[in-house]
Amino acid sequence: GAVVSQHPSWVICKSGTSVKIECRSLDFQATTMFWYRQFPKQSLMLMATSNEGSKATYEQGVEKDKFLINHASLTLSTLTVTSAHPEDSSFYICSASGLAGEASYNEQFFGPGTRLTVL
Amino acid sequence: AQTVTQSQPEMSVQEAETVTLSCTYDTSESDYYLFWYKQPPSRQMILVIRQEAYKQQNATENRFSVNFQKAAKSFSLKISDSQLGDAAMYFCAYRVNYGGSQGNLIFGKGTKLSVKP
Repeated sequence: GAVVSQHPSWVICKSGTSVKIECRSLDFQATTMFWYRQFPKQSLMLMATSNEGSKATYEQGVEKDKFLINHASLTLSTLTVTSAHPEDSSFYICSASGLAGEASYNEQFFGPGTRLTVL
Repeated sequence: AQTVTQSQPEMSVQEAETVTLSCTYDTSESDYYLFWYKQPPSRQMILVIRQEAYKQQNATENRFSVNFQKAAKSFSLKISDSQLGDAAMYFCAYRVNYGGSQGNLIFGKGTKLSVKP
């Protein structure tokens, strides 16, 4: 199956700093990428959907100025948590789907996740 | 609104036995996909099985099979010959088929499956 990587796998930062998380599709072109947040022992909550070259669409209640998403190429999307606070500590997961007509279109391929801890 | 409900927060099965995880969903759409994902302790989401709503035949993948009841909006997962490696969180998920674009996945709250040796 298609492979999606995330970097870093874990990060610890001080309150007030910004953190960037990268999501890459390694062997297919991802026209759409999704960012999820998962709290311990809970389900995945969609934060935003991004299409390559377009502005991300954020879910209700997600602050777009705090969680900046960029999807500048067909293989890379980034999530920047700006002015992070302890309540932003969570597990962030990205997923990607490919071009229409390709086998990767009908499925979302998940990255391994990034654990963010804000002190 | 589209929702996915998993009514079993935790389930347990003896190794080599069979277990069924329940999932119901609510939608007014007619064209959609249903999925079961496994999330082991590593937290990597792994696709277990997928079902297209227009297909009447239940999907199967080796030891994993589903019972898809479209009219009842039910989508249960059966794991046969359970193995220790099957222990994980299992999420049921739904996605509308928009044809030309990718819809987002809507997840249930998950069922934690334990496998006893």
